[in-house]
Amino acid sequence: GQQVMQIPQYQHVQEGEDFTTYCNSSTTLSNIQWYKQRPGGHPVFLIQLVKSGEVKKQKRLTFQFGEAKKNSSLHITATQTTDVGTYFCAGPGLNAGNNRKLIWGLGTSLAVNP
Amino acid sequence: GAGVSQSPRYKVAKRGQDVALRCDPISGHVSLFWYQQALGQGPEFLTYFQNEAQLDKSGLPSDRFFAERPEGSVSTLKIQRTQQEDSAVYLCASSPGQQGVYGYTFGSGTRLTVV
Repeated sequence: GQQVMQIPQYQHVQEGEDFTTYCNSSTTLSNIQWYKQRPGGHPVFLIQLVKSGEVKKQKRLTFQFGEAKKNSSLHITATQTTDVGTYFCAGPGLNAGNNRKLIWGLGTSLAVNP
Repeated sequence: GAGVSQSPRYKVAKRGQDVALRCDPISGHVSLFWYQQALGQGPEFLTYFQNEAQLDKSGLPSDRFFAERPEGSVSTLKIQRTQQEDSAVYLCASSPGQQGVYGYTFGSGTRLTVV
C-alpha cells in the first residue's frame, strides 16, 4: 500500500547546528504537508507544498518538494531549543475517494542540546 | 471557537466500558477528521466528515468504533466495549476546504487509557 517514510527517526544536535529531515513517498503526491508536534502536544500545521521543485521558507525553516513529487525535505538552520519536537510529513491518499485523508510518516524527533 | 476543542483531555476506562470522545471544530470548518496516534507513531486516519456526511470511515479499526457529526459541527467518536489495544491519543482535526486537502488544525487530543 501507499507509504510515507521519514529519515532519520531521531536526531540530536547542539544548539546552533543545522538539521535536516527527509520524507519519501512510495507514490507521487499531489501535495505534501509538514507538521510539528511538541512533546505531549498535538501536531501543528507548518506548510503545504504543491508544485514540483517548490521551495518555501519560514524564517530558519526551508521546505523543498522534489521534482518528481515523491520526496520532500525540511531543513532548519541554526537550531534553537524551541525547535525541539517531532516533525511529520504527510501526503494525501492516492484514490479520488480518499484523497482527503493524509498518510503520515513516522516522524523525525529532534532533540537540541543547549 | 478559536481552535479545535476536544474533551475529555484524559480518559481512563475499564476494559469493556463504552467511551465517548467529543470534538468541537473551528466554526465554519467543513471538513472534520478523527485520527488515532499511538506512542511514538504518526497519526493514523480513522474517519472523515464533510459537514454532517461521513464520507470515509475506512480507518475505523472495528465495528466497535462509531463516529457521528449530526449537525455538521460537533462530532463524537464512540468506542464500545473498549479493549487495551484501543489505548492511544485520539486526535480531531478540522479544515475549511471541501476539495482536496488543506492544512489541518488539530485539537489537543484525548488520551485514552484502557485498564
